[in-house]
Amino acid sequence: EAQVTQNPRYLITVTGKKLTVTCSQNMNHEYMSWYRQDPGLGLRQIYYSMNVEVTDKGDVPEGYKVSRKEKRNFPLILESPSPNQTSLYFCASRKVDTEAFFGQGTRLTVV
Amino acid sequence: LAKTTQPISMDSYEGQEVNITCSHNNIATNDYITWYQQFPSQGPRFIIQGYKTKVTNEVASLFIPADRKSSTLSLPRVSLSDTAVYYCLVGAEAAGNKLTFGGGTRVLVKP
Repeated sequence: EAQVTQNPRYLITVTGKKLTVTCSQNMNHEYMSWYRQDPGLGLRQIYYSMNVEVTDKGDVPEGYKVSRKEKRNFPLILESPSPNQTSLYFCASRKVDTEAFFGQGTRLTVV
Repeated sequence: LAKTTQPISMDSYEGQEVNITCSHNNIATNDYITWYQQFPSQGPRFIIQGYKTKVTNEVASLFIPADRKSSTLSLPRVSLSDTAVYYCLVGAEAAGNKLTFGGGTRVLVKP
């Protein structure tokens, strides 16, 4: 089954404790990206990748890192999480100029 | 980028047809129009895409007038499970690697 898988689905952590949210797709898509969704602010892109070893900043990259060592994986790294990074996160993948597939979401709470 | 404008919310009843109009006055010649659906706490899901006239699939229809400055997503005979936020994306918003989601239209289907 074609899918984008994020883990974990839910995470509560403390300020400053490094964490990684994983994202994996099985559709051999070139493009992958991360979004965060906050009430009243909609979906905002954090980082995106056009292929292996090619990443770039989206609209709200501060406080986040990503890597794309393999085509299927695109982890989101929070080196020192802060409460303002409490949000619902989505990973997405797509082929060039086709529909995007989104993961199930990761609800992160930073206390 | 072609900016889109859609109603913030719409209410309907089961069995009715729901029509959501999106305005995109600055649409470019090569731009496609794409609609996504998002249920609470889930990632957006592609519904339909079109360039001109009418496109229909098993979920919805998309009507695009000749001037392409607007489009209407039509959901036939909605059920409670169609309660969701619907996003209209145009052109560079829906192509390339960056999907720019506006506020969307929150559709509430009542029994």
